Amino acid sequence: SAVISQKPSRDICQRGTSLTIQCQVDSQVTMMFWYRQQPGQSLTLIATANQGSEATYESGFVIDKFPISRPNLTFSTLTVSNMSPEDSSIYLCSAKGAGYTFGSGTRLTVV
Amino acid sequence: TQLLEQSPQFLSIQEGENLTVYCNSSSVFSSLQWYRQEPGEGPVLLVTVVTGGEVKKLKRLTFQFGDARKDSSLHITAAQPGDTGLYLCAGSPPDSWGKFQFGAGTQVVVTP
Repeated sequence: SAVISQKPSRDICQRGTSLTIQCQVDSQVTMMFWYRQQPGQSLTLIATANQGSEATYESGFVIDKFPISRPNLTFSTLTVSNMSPEDSSIYLCSAKGAGYTFGSGTRLTVV
Repeated sequence: TQLLEQSPQFLSIQEGENLTVYCNSSSVFSSLQWYRQEPGEGPVLLVTVVTGGEVKKLKRLTFQFGDARKDSSLHITAAQPGDTGLYLCAGSPPDSWGKFQFGAGTQVVVTP
């Protein structure tokens, strides 16, 4: 399975600012996804990152709040914009290649 | 939205005991996956099942997909402390290839 490097691993941010999370995959993958996970809880799909086109967002998530880029088959970014304390969570990217792989996550705290 | 319900939410057992975690839905999934997640890490895929009635074994772990492809179970034999973690099931609805919905997870703690 592919190996994903996700960064930053954690950050503490001021409300009103934005944070961009990066995921680099060690091989080309067909699909990449972004999830949010509250500590100790399950994962909620934010969007599917499409290579060369706009991401496909799930209900409750919008591009203005969570802009996503995927310039090629090995890299994607998720930006959490205009952050509030409610955005404090763990954000994970996932990739589908030969199998499904997750990054190690970004623990975001908004103060 | 197709919901996946996992039970129990929390399970604490002694080393050497057996345990079973359940994942149920009222809807059909084209495939179902089980993951284990440890603190500070992303989920790690354990198995994918795609055929109704399918049984897969991974050392001391046995995974079963229900005949109707609406439910699944994970059985661990002779649990060890290294089995401690959050176990998540994830189902892929028909016509949503590549997208998975996750259950709430079962936190398993195995004490020596």
